Amino acid sequence: AQSVSQHNHHVILSEAASLELGCNYSYGGTVNLFWYVQYPGQHLQLLLKYFSGDPLVKGIKGFEAEFIKSKFSFNLRKPSVQWSDTAEYFCAVSFNDYKLSFGAGTTVTVRA
Amino acid sequence: DGGITQSPKYLFRKEGQNVTLSCEQNLNHDAMYWYRQDPGQGLRLIYYSQIVNDFQKGDIAEGYSVSREKKESFPLTVTSAQKNPTAFYLCASSPPLRGPSTDTQYFGPGTRLTVL
Repeated sequence: AQSVSQHNHHVILSEAASLELGCNYSYGGTVNLFWYVQYPGQHLQLLLKYFSGDPLVKGIKGFEAEFIKSKFSFNLRKPSVQWSDTAEYFCAVSFNDYKLSFGAGTTVTVRA
Repeated sequence: DGGITQSPKYLFRKEGQNVTLSCEQNLNHDAMYWYRQDPGQGLRLIYYSQIVNDFQKGDIAEGYSVSREKKESFPLTVTSAQKNPTAFYLCASSPPLRGPSTDTQYFGPGTRLTVL
């Protein structure tokens, strides 16, 4: 069965630290990949997406993600986090069927 | 101002009562979706509709029902058959099918349902 897994449930780090959140999926075919973010009290919003082309994609607020097809991974990175990056982050995958499957989410807490 | 609206933000109901959650979009999107969000489980798809007057069950459709009579509206009814209805419900929509951004979903603010 197709599935999406996020490696970390809760990540705590200090401002200026680097962030990397893991996301893996199980499916051998074509996929579209997304990272969404949910800031406290706000809508779920799109951070970045990958459909095709350059596997390194850049999103809003200094985030980027790299698609590694051989590893079925789409990890999210930010070189230097800020307190305002405190949020819940969701990886989502479309398995070519117009639906999204979401990972369980990773809560990121950035300490000032 | 285009977007997706969900109402109400908080909803309380007694056990055994059906309740309908509203979702409206003015983005001219074809597809609409309902998800349930529970802590530690991410978002799980309840129902989706790719076009007016058509909808399909998602992964956890039992105890829920939907209708899609208008392009802009996709209400979700949580019935008394849903065993654990207390949750945060999110509605989403996505652009026209087979377009360049078909899979990109845009989310509403959510409705938190508490069944007492």
